[in-house]
Amino acid sequence: EVQLVESGGDLVQPGGSLRLSCAASGFTVSSNYMAWVRQAPGKGLEWVSTIYSGGNTDYADSVKGRFTIIRDNSRNTLYLQMNSLRGEDTAVYYCATGLSEVPWWGQGTLVTVSS
Amino acid sequence: QSVLTQPPSVSGAPGQRVTISCTGSSSNVGAGFDVHWYQQHPGTAPKVLIYVNNNRPSGVPDRFSGSKSGTSASLAISGLQADDEADYYCQSYDSSLHGWVFGGGTKVTVL
Repeated sequence: EVQLVESGGDLVQPGGSLRLSCAASGFTVSSNYMAWVRQAPGKGLEWVSTIYSGGNTDYADSVKGRFTIIRDNSRNTLYLQMNSLRGEDTAVYYCATGLSEVPWWGQGTLVTVSS
Repeated sequence: QSVLTQPPSVSGAPGQRVTISCTGSSSNVGAGFDVHWYQQHPGTAPKVLIYVNNNRPSGVPDRFSGSKSGTSASLAISGLQADDEADYYCQSYDSSLHGWVFGGGTKVTVL
């Protein structure tokens, strides 16, 4: 069964760092594209970053230079390293992938950036 | 402002049919990139309703259907039920932004 389980969300001060994890099961992360999507409280969905099977990465302009998407093939896990966090980064962060063209999403983890 | 445009809200009585439009441009929907649709109830993760324009994952009732033409896509919900009251989002890929793009979301209200 395909599962994506996010973890690592927490309360962090502005300017701080946090690393989110997305543990995958039922498929191999290195063979598929993997993405992070976020949703600020009461707002819509916003794409954050994608890593492709070949290792190429893309980032939304709002996080470029601050966030890094990382894939650990040995752990079959996706990460999002978030630095220089701002209040506007407060959101539920979801990891997602596509298997045989069907999107799969995790349940999300909450990141709160506040002093 | 979202790259894909959806109406903020639609409503209908139980049993009626409602449609939600998703309008993009030549760099996303109009370029041939696939459109997916999600349903989201409050406090829960988005659930895939339609993938690749008009396909339903197993378990999604055939009351939900999707279509795509030109720079737009649509989600239709027939036989509206109380549990259909939720937020709905369309998603595609944009070649100019090199990433996924979403609609702003449509709140469906069952009267």
